[in-house]
Amino acid sequence: DVKVTQSSRYLVKRTGEKVFLECVQDMDHENMFWYRQDPGLGLRLIYFSYDVKMKEKGDIPEGYSVSREKKERFSLILESASTNQTSMYLCASSSQTGNNQPQHFGDGTRLSIL
Amino acid sequence: AQKVTQAQTEISVVEKEDVTLDCVYETRDTTYYLFWYKQPPSGELVFLIRRNSFDEQNEISGRYSWNFQKSTSSFNFTITASQVVDSAVYFCALKSSWNYGGSQGNLIFGKGTKLSVKP
Repeated sequence: DVKVTQSSRYLVKRTGEKVFLECVQDMDHENMFWYRQDPGLGLRLIYFSYDVKMKEKGDIPEGYSVSREKKERFSLILESASTNQTSMYLCASSSQTGNNQPQHFGDGTRLSIL
Repeated sequence: AQKVTQAQTEISVVEKEDVTLDCVYETRDTTYYLFWYKQPPSGELVFLIRRNSFDEQNEISGRYSWNFQKSTSSFNFTITASQVVDSAVYFCALKSSWNYGGSQGNLIFGKGTKLSVKP
C-alpha cells in the first residue's frame, strides 16, 4: 500500500513565523502535491512537483513556497504565517505511469495560526 | 474549461437507506479519468474508484456502485444499505489525459458532499 506521511496532525504557530510542513511518500512516486481544504471551498491546489527540484504553482500559491530536494519528500513553507492560512493541509503523491493514476493522500495537518 | 459539480452539499439518511451522490463534470477532452474519494472525520482522503472515459461499464463493489454516463457527463455513486461508518465527505474528481501547461497529473475536485448516516 502507498504510504504518504505528513509530519504533524496538528500544529499551532504564531503570526509571522516561518512554518514548514513536511510530507514523505514511500512509493517512489514522481508527482507530489500540496492542497489546502477549507469549509465550502473544497480542495485547492497550492503547489505541485513532477520531479526532484521541480515545482509548479497551483491555484493559490501566494504566501507559500515549496521544496523538493529528494524524490520522496515535498515540503510546504509558509514564509510568514498569517491567520488566513489557518486551514487543513493535505499532501498527495501519484505515479506518472499511465495517465489514470490516482493521487494518494496523507492524513492531513490541521494548522492554526494565532 | 474543466469542472466538477457536486450539487448536494449535505445529505442525511437513516441507516440501511440507499443513497446516491451525484457528480457532473465538464471537459472538452475525449479521454479523461474520473475518481471518487472518501474523507472520514479523521481527515485522510481515501481513494475509492477510478473510471476511464472509454469504459462506460458500471461497477459494483460490495455495497458501493458507480454509474458512469457519458451522455449526461455524470458519474454517480450509490451506497446501498448505508451504515454509520459511511458517514464522511465524498469527493468526485476529474483528470485530463492532456498536459495543460505542466498540469499532467492534476485532479479537478468537486466541493464534496457530506453524508451523515444516522443509526
